[in-house]
Amino acid sequence: GQNIDQPTEMTATEGAIVQINCTYQTSGFNGLFWYQQHAGEAPTFLSYNVLDGLEEKGRFSSFLSRSKGYSYLLLKELQMKDSASYLCAVRDSNYQLIWGAGTKLIIKP
Amino acid sequence: SAVISQKPSRDICQRGTSLTIQCQVDSQVTMMFWYRQQPGQSLTLIATANQGSEATYESGFVIDKFPISRPNLTFSTLTVSNMSPEDSSIYLCSVEDSGQGAAEAFFGQGTRLTVV
Repeated sequence: GQNIDQPTEMTATEGAIVQINCTYQTSGFNGLFWYQQHAGEAPTFLSYNVLDGLEEKGRFSSFLSRSKGYSYLLLKELQMKDSASYLCAVRDSNYQLIWGAGTKLIIKP
Repeated sequence: SAVISQKPSRDICQRGTSLTIQCQVDSQVTMMFWYRQQPGQSLTLIATANQGSEATYESGFVIDKFPISRPNLTFSTLTVSNMSPEDSSIYLCSVEDSGQGAAEAFFGQGTRLTVV
């Protein structure tokens, strides 16, 4: 079967750095996405990785290792508004998106 | 990019009744997707709605329970039929830029359904 694992919940301090990990086992791989979802809202796109390495976009960076089936999302200079769930999703060989359960990130002052 | 208007945003329904959720997209898209998201769980794909053909349902979801309409390239509806408390969930419609790997998914605001 297909499986995506990410921690259920993480807590971090305002101004700090946090890394959210995602491991996946899917039938084929056509890219990995990170989405942010605030409570009661729809997911919004953060990043996309299809090749190994680090993609940086402002305070957010995403890393991919295809050989390890592993990705992480790195959030720097955390702000209170970053409190949200972060969803990892992989596009499989059928181009279907397979979603992780999401990591709820709690930011404390 | 795509902007999706989904309604209703929430509803409380009686057991045994049906609810139809609507999604309107501001541009023409080939495929629209309907997801269910239960608290603390991942997005689960219910079906893919193609204009002019029957929707394609994922394992565990059937047309009699979740009939879908796709009358044109900008609009789709999902009906949750003969509801039970187990159907209480958030339902989301989604579209993608293209059928390619890097295609970003865009979502409607979601419908929070509570069945009592």
